[in-house]
Amino acid sequence: NAGVTQTPKFRILKIGQSMTLQCAQDMNHNYMYWYRQDPGMGLKLIYYSVGAGITDKGEVPNGYNVSRSTTEDFPLRLELAAPSQTSVYFCASSYSTGGTYNEQFFGPGTRLTVL
Amino acid sequence: AQKITQTQPGMFVQEKEAVTLDCTYDTSDQSYGLFWYKQPSSGEMIFLIYQGSYDEQNATEGRYSLNFQKARKSANLVISASQLGDSAMYFCAMREVISGGYNKLIFGAGTRLAVHP
Repeated sequence: NAGVTQTPKFRILKIGQSMTLQCAQDMNHNYMYWYRQDPGMGLKLIYYSVGAGITDKGEVPNGYNVSRSTTEDFPLRLELAAPSQTSVYFCASSYSTGGTYNEQFFGPGTRLTVL
Repeated sequence: AQKITQTQPGMFVQEKEAVTLDCTYDTSDQSYGLFWYKQPSSGEMIFLIYQGSYDEQNATEGRYSLNFQKARKSANLVISASQLGDSAMYFCAMREVISGGYNKLIFGAGTRLAVHP
């Protein structure tokens, strides 16, 4: 059971380039999330998905796109990279809400630098 | 809007002593959940402890306990018998219900804990 995996671990992009951050989970979780963490700050939600084919915007969605074609995978796409997108990106997953407890399991993160 | 406040940017503690990391929250919801995560220098997010708003007793997980004071809207993390490996960034987070009954986490800015030998 690998949990939540993310690739790549590190990436440097030039302004205007595009890339896809990969995220996969093998826990059969319905919920998946993408967060970004700027230096010295907490995490902010970019996009989330409550199941295959269903995605929605979080707090900071501008400049990003997502898709969820399977339960396992939730890739994050940056179309035109900007220096403001330099950050650490975390993918997370959790079970569906059946009550009040909803622990999120996090991937190891992707450190992205845009120059 | 819901909000999490961690007022201590950094804390120091001597090894084997206890330390309290502060967290206050703001919500108008009756049902909510509070989480603490640890982020070591390696960067991963590690779940530590959870407290539900209707839980009558304070949550405990090994050396971690959550001092939940609902009237004060505080959910402080207490680490007993600190170890060098406890040096990390600690985040308090609250579950927020979003559209359709689904939920997300709102994170505080974090507290960096340094444990000294």
